[in-house]
Amino acid sequence: SAVISQKPSRDICQRGTSLTIQCQVDSQVTMMFWYRQQPGQSLTLIATANQGSEATYESGFVIDKFPISRPNLTFSTLTVSNMSPEDSSIYLCSGWGPSGSATGELFFGEGSRLTVL
Amino acid sequence: AQSVAQPEDQVNVAEGNPLTVKCTYSVSGNPYLFWYVQYPNRGLQFLLKYITGDNLVKGSYGFEAEFNKSQTSFHLKKPSALVSDSALYFCAVRDRDNYGQNFVFGPGTRLSVLP
Repeated sequence: SAVISQKPSRDICQRGTSLTIQCQVDSQVTMMFWYRQQPGQSLTLIATANQGSEATYESGFVIDKFPISRPNLTFSTLTVSNMSPEDSSIYLCSGWGPSGSATGELFFGEGSRLTVL
Repeated sequence: AQSVAQPEDQVNVAEGNPLTVKCTYSVSGNPYLFWYVQYPNRGLQFLLKYITGDNLVKGSYGFEAEFNKSQTSFHLKKPSALVSDSALYFCAVRDRDNYGQNFVFGPGTRLSVLP
């Protein structure tokens, strides 16, 4: 399956600042997703990153707080805006379907661990 | 709506013993089912999937899982556990009859293999 590179792998940020996480896939993928995960907990889907159009956000997540870009089939960014300590979490980029196959699995980057002070 | 349950938060097993991590699911259509493993400070790694055909699927690192449609279960198994299998395990489902439906993950089960 494709390989996802995600950076930064971790960061410590100040309250009120914004941080952009980059996600690069080594091959074209049909869909890209952004998840949030508290350590040891399950994954929560933030949004689906759509190529060349606005991302599709899940309930509880809004574009102003988590702007997402996907300029092409291999790259996406997630920005966490105006951060507060509650945003401290692991953010995971994932991809699906390099061949458009409906039976494909999701594959993940290594995650970006954010700590907001 | 889709959902996944992993009834055990924690599973402890002695090294060399067989292990089972349980998963049950609910989908309106037919499921695609997946298992993932997450080691500390790492992303999720794909282990295996059930798409169709043989109910017993084999995956990475000697793991296997059995799809049971009547019990809506997809339990992960390994005949002989290793200490290095200690990690967080996630079951996931996608509705095969709904192409646009997202993956849904279970809450996770922490497996500890004791030496």
